[in-house]
Amino acid sequence: AQSVTQLGSHVSVSEGALVLLRCNYSSSVPPYLFWYVQYPNQGLQLLLKYTSAATLVKGINGFEAEFKKSETSFHLTKPSAHMSDAAEYFCAVSTNAGKSTFGDGTTLTVKP
Amino acid sequence: KAGVTQTPRYLIKTRGQQVTLSCSPISGHRSVSWYQQTPGQGLQFLFEYFSETQRNKGNFPGRFSGRQFSNSRSEMNVSTLELGDSALYLCASSLTGGEDTQYFGPGTRLTVL
Repeated sequence: AQSVTQLGSHVSVSEGALVLLRCNYSSSVPPYLFWYVQYPNQGLQLLLKYTSAATLVKGINGFEAEFKKSETSFHLTKPSAHMSDAAEYFCAVSTNAGKSTFGDGTTLTVKP
Repeated sequence: KAGVTQTPRYLIKTRGQQVTLSCSPISGHRSVSWYQQTPGQGLQFLFEYFSETQRNKGNFPGRFSGRQFSNSRSEMNVSTLELGDSALYLCASSLTGGEDTQYFGPGTRLTVL
């Protein structure tokens, strides 16, 4: 079985500050890990994907995530938050055909 | 390439009715997965189809069903609608499933009155 835990349902940062969204996973086999972003009334957009090629994964819009096997973590970071980053972010793990297990999501608020 | 499209985008039904949602995957993608998103339960996996066969299924009652056509387009059907079925239904396509990246459509917002 696989599961994902996102620590903090709401995160608030100031514009220009570091963004850190936490994700821990549980998987019985080496996982594929994803971060998605969702804007209101829209579907999910892929930010980045970990596939074991490299532990530090760079994604779109300046986001990156580091896979730490020993900590079973895949935290998402961005050095400097922008107002347009305000959205809901989902961490997901996939090991089975076409099935991803998602965390509960973290809503990011960016204050001017 | 065109993205994943879902129709309709919004739907209002009453309890007891049935509904059919449609999903057209990205050209060349053969795997289509469906998810239900609600504020209380988050994103939950419904089922996945590959080459017209259901390959994986989540923990939903039999009122939820789906199918996939030879062109990879997929439909999901919900019969005997309940108030709790109100949700955003998301479709995602990928090349073959498994570890392939899933690309999501904009979703169908279903409201059951």
